[in-house]
Amino acid sequence: DAGVTQSPTHLIKTRGQQVTLRCSPKSGHDTVSWYQQALGQGPQFIFQYYEEEERQRGNFPDRFSGHQFPNYSSELNVNALLLGDSALYLCASRAVGVETQYFGPGTRLLVL
Amino acid sequence: EDQVTQSPEALRLQEGESSSLNCSYTVSGLRGLFWYRQDPGKGPEFLFTLYSAGEEKEKERLKATLTKKESFLHITAPKPEDSATYLCAVQARNNDMRFGAGTRLTVKP
Repeated sequence: DAGVTQSPTHLIKTRGQQVTLRCSPKSGHDTVSWYQQALGQGPQFIFQYYEEEERQRGNFPDRFSGHQFPNYSSELNVNALLLGDSALYLCASRAVGVETQYFGPGTRLLVL
Repeated sequence: EDQVTQSPEALRLQEGESSSLNCSYTVSGLRGLFWYRQDPGKGPEFLFTLYSAGEEKEKERLKATLTKKESFLHITAPKPEDSATYLCAVQARNNDMRFGAGTRLTVKP
């Protein structure tokens, strides 16, 4: 049983560019959340998707947007990249009605 | 505002030297408290979920406990492979999820 998968594993972009990160949830899970983790910090909640809609959002600007597909996979898009967007981006999935989330390996984004 | 504070920031132990990590929290209606282990450059690995004060859970050398204000992760006779960052997170009644900054544990052989 595959766990949460994310792609790509690493990415280098320059300021002002746009990036798309991808996530496939664990089998049987239908709710996907995205987190940003800066070096030495805990993950910070970006948003959560369920039934192809954004259900909850953390304190992140509109440059961060997402999408969930009918197969429950999800994308995170970040526009107009800033140096401060450099971080590990984590995807987590869970089944509806269950609180425990399982994380993917993350995508390391470096903005130059 | 919901807050999660973990202490200490870093902890160095000798192999076999038991200790505890602390997670203090303030949250409007606790739905769950979670412990994760994270190795460098990797995603957090789920350890425990606790739902109510007095609850305890164990897995190998780890035991998590919960009170109304804090949670402890007790590590008994740790081994070098237990070295990692341990993250605590709380989920509030409104489903907001907040993580602490983690405790970086190093176990020396």
